[in-house]
Amino acid sequence: EAQVTQNPRYLITVTGKKLTVTCSQNMNHEYMSWYRQDPGLGLRQIYYSMNVEVTDKGDVPEGYKVSRKEKRNFPLILESPSPNQTSLYFCASSPFREGETQYFGPGTRLLVL
Amino acid sequence: DQQVKQNSPSLSVQEGRISILNCDYTNSMFDYFLWYKKYPAEGPTFLISISSIKDKNEDGRFTVFLNKSAKHLSLHIVPSQPGDSAVYFCAASEGYRDDKIIFGKGTRLHILP
Repeated sequence: EAQVTQNPRYLITVTGKKLTVTCSQNMNHEYMSWYRQDPGLGLRQIYYSMNVEVTDKGDVPEGYKVSRKEKRNFPLILESPSPNQTSLYFCASSPFREGETQYFGPGTRLLVL
Repeated sequence: DQQVKQNSPSLSVQEGRISILNCDYTNSMFDYFLWYKKYPAEGPTFLISISSIKDKNEDGRFTVFLNKSAKHLSLHIVPSQPGDSAVYFCAASEGYRDDKIIFGKGTRLHILP
């Protein structure tokens, strides 16, 4: 089954404790992206990757890191989480063909205390 | 500066009637527009798209209209069904291969029995 998976789905952590949210896709997509969803703000892009070893900042990259060492994986790293990073995070991938668009993972709900 | 605006946070429509969700954009470079649907506890799923060379795209009960001069697009759902109750996000990019997709804040659609 074609899908984007994220782990963990739910995470409670404390300020300053490094964490990684994994994202994996099995569709051989070139493009992957991370978003956060916050009430009243919709979906905002954090980082994206056009291909292996190619990453770039989205609209709200502060406090986040990413890596793309393999085509299928695109982890989101919070080196020192803060309470304002409490959010719902979505990973997405895309084949970049017209008529097709981004496929989203199920989301990771993060609470930073 | 919000480049994609969905000015109605919520909308209630009677089952069987037409649902019309609106979206405005400010960036004249946008030429590819998408609608996503999101249920609680799930990632957004792609619904329908339109490129700027068209003014209408139809897929079953869903039709998207684009008015480039007004920088406005709308999603029509006819007839509305209970399963259409969800949050709908409008999104835009500069071409379907653009690396940045800008999302609106979303409109919550309630279909009333």
